[in-house]
Amino acid sequence: KAGVTQTPRYLIKTRGQQVTLSCSPISGHRSVSWYQQTPGQGLQFLFEYFSETQRNKGNFPGRFSGRQFSNSRSEMNVSTLELGDSALYLCASSLGPGLNEKLFFGSGTQLSVL
Amino acid sequence: GQQLNQSPQSMFIQEGEDVSMNCTSSSIFNTWLWYKQDPGEGPVLLIALYKAGELTSNGRLTAQFGITRKDSFLNISASIPSDVGIYFCAGQENRDDKIIFGKGTRLHILP
Repeated sequence: KAGVTQTPRYLIKTRGQQVTLSCSPISGHRSVSWYQQTPGQGLQFLFEYFSETQRNKGNFPGRFSGRQFSNSRSEMNVSTLELGDSALYLCASSLGPGLNEKLFFGSGTQLSVL
Repeated sequence: GQQLNQSPQSMFIQEGEDVSMNCTSSSIFNTWLWYKQDPGEGPVLLIALYKAGELTSNGRLTAQFGITRKDSFLNISASIPSDVGIYFCAGQENRDDKIIFGKGTRLHILP
């Protein structure tokens, strides 16, 4: 069974630009969560989608948004990029809420904002 | 809001030594998870715990769900070079809640 696939693997952008990251969950998984990882800060929760609906949201500004498609694939978008948005963005999939949550992570998208 | 305090932040040990790390939360959790992250990769699930007092092993790794439901521990016995990496605890307050992570324990093994 294929794992969680994230594209692109690396991305370099400049301040003010916007970026879209993609995540394909494990087949059969219907929930997708996004995390931002920066050195020393661990994994900060961005949001979670299930059945194309956002179920939970972290404490990030509105510049960070996401969506989920009917095939459970998800995208996240960051608009008006800032230097502090440089981070590893991790996507994780799971079967769904209330099902003994086990998150399975992709390898992440490393975003550098110059 | 929910917070997870993971300690220590980093550890330097000799190969063959045992390792202990822990995580405490500001609120009661119903699920505790332990992950390991290798460089350039996403975290990989090591152990999942669902009941207070539960003790679960995965090879040389053993994790426990604290009785108070506000803490969890991970032990690694007889460490080997491939144990190097960042270990994260994660918890979930209720089954429908988001899963939050500690800041990680970076394990170094001295030659």
